[in-house]
Amino acid sequence: EAGVAQSPRYKIIEKRQSVAFWCNPISGHATLYWYQQILGQGPKLLIQFQNNGVVDDSQLPKDRFSAERLKGVDSTLKIQPAKLEDSAVYLCASSTPLAGDYNEQFFGPGTRLTVL
Amino acid sequence: KQEVTQIPAALSVPEGENLVLNCSFTDSAIYNLQWFRQDPGKGLTSLLLIQSSQREQTSGRLNASLDKSSGRSTLYIAASQPGDSATYLCAVRTGANNLFFGTGTRLTVIP
Repeated sequence: EAGVAQSPRYKIIEKRQSVAFWCNPISGHATLYWYQQILGQGPKLLIQFQNNGVVDDSQLPKDRFSAERLKGVDSTLKIQPAKLEDSAVYLCASSTPLAGDYNEQFFGPGTRLTVL
Repeated sequence: KQEVTQIPAALSVPEGENLVLNCSFTDSAIYNLQWFRQDPGKGLTSLLLIQSSQREQTSGRLNASLDKSSGRSTLYIAASQPGDSATYLCAVRTGANNLFFGTGTRLTVIP
């Protein structure tokens, strides 16, 4: 079974530029998550999709970040314009919406963003 | 708001030693707790998942325990190997299906 795919793996941009990240979840996983992991910290949830609908985007800086999952499969996360503090690893994860309290998330390799 | 703390932040041990990593969380109303491994420049690999109704889970040389009432979990690694060197993250899942992560423990196993 293929895992969660992300691209690009690395990106270096200057502040005020725009950048986009792509994620393809595990086949059949209806739930998709984007996390931001700043160096030395644990990942922080940015947005959660259930199929093509947003479940939780309460921690997404909506003035500069946007995300979409138009067909309920792959997803794109965009930052426009980027700030120095956006330098981080952006992780995508997916899971199946199983009943009960078992719902394991599977993570992709991440995209490391450096903003200069 | 849920807060997850991991102690110690970094740990170095000689190969072959047994070790314990600690995780604590402030809100005991969790659905489950996961331990992850993260290698430099890589994503997260799930090691163990403990459901809220369970006390422990084992996989090979790894054993994770959960005391939900006291807000604590431990990850026990037996007979450590240099290949175990990585950052270990714990995360708790709340009812909203959010995972709240700790800041991790960076483990170095010295050959």
